[in-house]
Amino acid sequence: QSALTQPRSVSGSPGQSVTISCTGTSSDVGGYNYVSWYQQHPGKAPKVMIYDVTNRPSGVPDRFSGSKSGNTASLTISGLQAEDEADYYCCSYTASDFTVFGTGTRVTVL
Amino acid sequence: QVQLVQSGAEVKKPGASVKVSCKASGHILSDYYLHWVRQAPGQGLEWMGWITPNGDRTNSAPKFQGRVAMTKDTSISTAYMDLARLTSDDTGVYYCVTDVTRGGKHWGQGTLVTVSS
Repeated sequence: QSALTQPRSVSGSPGQSVTISCTGTSSDVGGYNYVSWYQQHPGKAPKVMIYDVTNRPSGVPDRFSGSKSGNTASLTISGLQAEDEADYYCCSYTASDFTVFGTGTRVTVL
Repeated sequence: QVQLVQSGAEVKKPGASVKVSCKASGHILSDYYLHWVRQAPGQGLEWMGWITPNGDRTNSAPKFQGRVAMTKDTSISTAYMDLARLTSDDTGVYYCVTDVTRGGKHWGQGTLVTVSS
């Protein structure tokens, strides 16, 4: 059971958009619409930003959006703000009723 | 306000076991799968396993099978994660979280487990 592949880091200026990819296989990301995205600030517990590929929990700004194509899911942050600087992890349901996380991406606001 | 409150930090010797508790407010342990996730220092999130709402089944990641036990006592709204035969690689923060695969809304505050001789 290998971790999903994410870029190590992405960066953007305030107001710009950034996209984080999450690549798996047909046994996880590609096989189910159960991909979530978590934001984690240093020393804090993760917080869900997107679930079931595209759904946004109440309270999460609408500048966060999710999508999926084949075995790759993506999280886009539009109108980047300073408070968006954090680590982001994708998470997917897998065959055998397991769960797998991505390798994590550090988002830096320049 | 729904909360998951975990037990305090632990220091263990290699070869020992650790038991982390996760107490829930309300009835969320009866409504959701309860997952355990860990994070080694400076590393990413790692899924360990889950227990069903009524506690009748568990499932764990292959690397933890045979070494982890997940249980719950619904009468006191508390779940437990027991990890045996600890090594230094088990040092990290352990989290309980509801339904992490479907958008885990409720996370515990984390429990730091340090394995050191």
